[in-house]
Amino acid sequence: GESVGLHLPTLSVQEGDNSIINCAYSNSASDYFIWYKQESGKGPQFIIDIRSNMDKRQGQRVTVLLNKTVKHLSLQIAATQPGDSAVYFCAENAGYSTLTFGKGTMLLVSP
Amino acid sequence: DADVTQTPRNRITKTGKRIMLECSQTKGHDRMYWYRQDPGLGLRLIYYSFDVKDINKGEISDGYSVSRQAQAKFSLSLESAIPNQTALYFCATSDPGPNRLTQYFGPGTRLTVL
Repeated sequence: GESVGLHLPTLSVQEGDNSIINCAYSNSASDYFIWYKQESGKGPQFIIDIRSNMDKRQGQRVTVLLNKTVKHLSLQIAATQPGDSAVYFCAENAGYSTLTFGKGTMLLVSP
Repeated sequence: DADVTQTPRNRITKTGKRIMLECSQTKGHDRMYWYRQDPGLGLRLIYYSFDVKDINKGEISDGYSVSRQAQAKFSLSLESAIPNQTALYFCATSDPGPNRLTQYFGPGTRLTVL
């Protein structure tokens, strides 16, 4: 399928390593944040979300950290697997029930 | 997700042609969205609809129109396609309520305008 990863920041890791993908957001009034995973040729898939009244939320092998002071969001993936290779997008609540998406980071996992 | 389907999956057309992209969902969600994605960029919102009688412009609505025929169907039209509308187009849905910001995406339509 067509690549959506051209000119994207890329993070390359070895299988089994932990991955950290970062995202800076712009709107200090944003109260909801979400991470999506997009594999080649597919639509974005929901991974995890967090509201602004939290600074950490954990899922299965994933953790999202929110630092509102510096408007920074990160996604941590534990024990990264080749199947985690994809483009990862963060998004923030831009107003009434709409999202503003970041440009994405490509994660490449080597066996 | 199979719950959100888009047709066609691929389309090649010529400048000036009218094109319609269709989205259907079986999730029972009231809210539907159309985005475009260009290489190296994130998703940009074109139009969104919170119910059958509600249509709202997004960030980049110029050159596009939409129709919400039913709760489950939301179509995007390019009245007169131009080459810079070549992109991946995604439909998404969400449910009103506490999880209204969690959007679920279809598989996308790759549109090429020559």
